[in-house]
Amino acid sequence: GENVEQHPSTLSVQEGDSAVIKCTYSDSASNYFPWYKQELGKRPQLIIDIRSNVGEKKDQRIAVTLNKTAKHFSLHITETQPEDSAVYFCAASNGMDSSYKLIFGSGTRLLVRP
Amino acid sequence: NAGVTQTPKFRVLKTGQSMTLLCAQDMNHEYMYWYRQDPGMGLRLIHYSVGEGTTAKGEVPDGYNVSRLKKQNFLLGLESAAPSQTSVYFCASSYSSGNTIYFGEGSWLTVV
Repeated sequence: GENVEQHPSTLSVQEGDSAVIKCTYSDSASNYFPWYKQELGKRPQLIIDIRSNVGEKKDQRIAVTLNKTAKHFSLHITETQPEDSAVYFCAASNGMDSSYKLIFGSGTRLLVRP
Repeated sequence: NAGVTQTPKFRVLKTGQSMTLLCAQDMNHEYMYWYRQDPGMGLRLIHYSVGEGTTAKGEVPDGYNVSRLKKQNFLLGLESAAPSQTSVYFCASSYSSGNTIYFGEGSWLTVV
């Protein structure tokens, strides 16, 4: 089955700097890669996702890149702000598989220092 | 439109007791999931359902049972609770495969 590894487990950056979180996946059939943000005590919420037919997607200060050959994808946050502090999870799945399962990485705790 | 709602939000159980967590969604989603979240281990899939009347095992199904008798509801049962099942449980749903998964607010379960 799918296995997703996420690094680093914690990341501390100065406000205004960029943050990068990386994930690798094992199942070459995976084709859907979402990223979730979870604030303390809250539910995970989708912030951006990418499908295997594109290599990069941007939404304001957030971007995700995908390298299918190497089976890894990354989240990039530019001009970080204190409200970006949270735990971020990557995930992967085979969106065309009728037994659809979204498998998550172990999470990255991002701290943005004012 | 409430989205995904879970009950109860907090519960303390004694070892060996049973309980059921209820998840309800009002988005007409076909797919529903139960995840557990433990510190440093992310979200692990317990069981999921791809439609009314169907269920399947996820990554960590042992000690849990589920039922999907109605499309809008997905129940997670613990027949004999163990301290290792102390966790935060999240229900989620999606319209179909490869679509956004929406999470409920979580249920904090402590087994003593």
